[in-house]
Amino acid sequence: QVQLQESGPGLVKPSETLSLTCAVSGYSISSGYYWGWIRQPPGKGLEWIGSIYHSGSTYYNPSLKSRVTISVDTSKNQFSLKLRSVTAADTAVYYCARHVASGECYYWGQGTLVTVSS
Amino acid sequence: EIVLTQSPATLSLSPGERATLSCRASQSVNSYLTWYQQKPGQAPRLLIYEASNRATGIPARISGSGSGTDFTLTISSLEPEDFAVYYCQQRSNWPITFGQGTRLEIK
Repeated sequence: QVQLQESGPGLVKPSETLSLTCAVSGYSISSGYYWGWIRQPPGKGLEWIGSIYHSGSTYYNPSLKSRVTISVDTSKNQFSLKLRSVTAADTAVYYCARHVASGECYYWGQGTLVTVSS
Repeated sequence: EIVLTQSPATLSLSPGERATLSCRASQSVNSYLTWYQQKPGQAPRLLIYEASNRATGIPARISGSGSGTDFTLTISSLEPEDFAVYYCQQRSNWPITFGQGTRLEIK
């Protein structure tokens, strides 16, 4: 079955770049669907960060667009998130997910906590 | 950006009771409204897509309705495992947005 697994540093210093990777198994990213990143600050709600279509088109949350890049590595069947110039407000659990055009996320990673602190 | 407003923020009910959760959109999302359930320490779980379609494995006691700007998630008879936080989400337009969540707690 389809599985997603986030990986990356759990601690990032303020002003640096947060980098996460989502490894996908059970399905080839290049075959279809949207691949997205969603985050959840501790004790708060869900915030969509952005998505990449299997063709490479990207869609970003306007509130984060100037700092975010999402890319795909089809050779490794994974996609990545880079969030630049982080602050404490970027501390959150980061999820990767697969979704369809109408938005519903059928498959999620388990989530990874990233803390921004010096 | 489409804003989704969920109500109530917290709902306190007993097992066996009926739960009605609301999600209102700032403009029409047609039927592109999704509901998720989230338990502590877990990723969200897809319940309902396109306003009224149950995802695979979701029990019949959970149902969704609505279109346009007003949507409802109904749990007909609460089971202990239903107590969690529920989020609505839209993708009628980019960006994807989520409601702030409704916490369903045991009374």
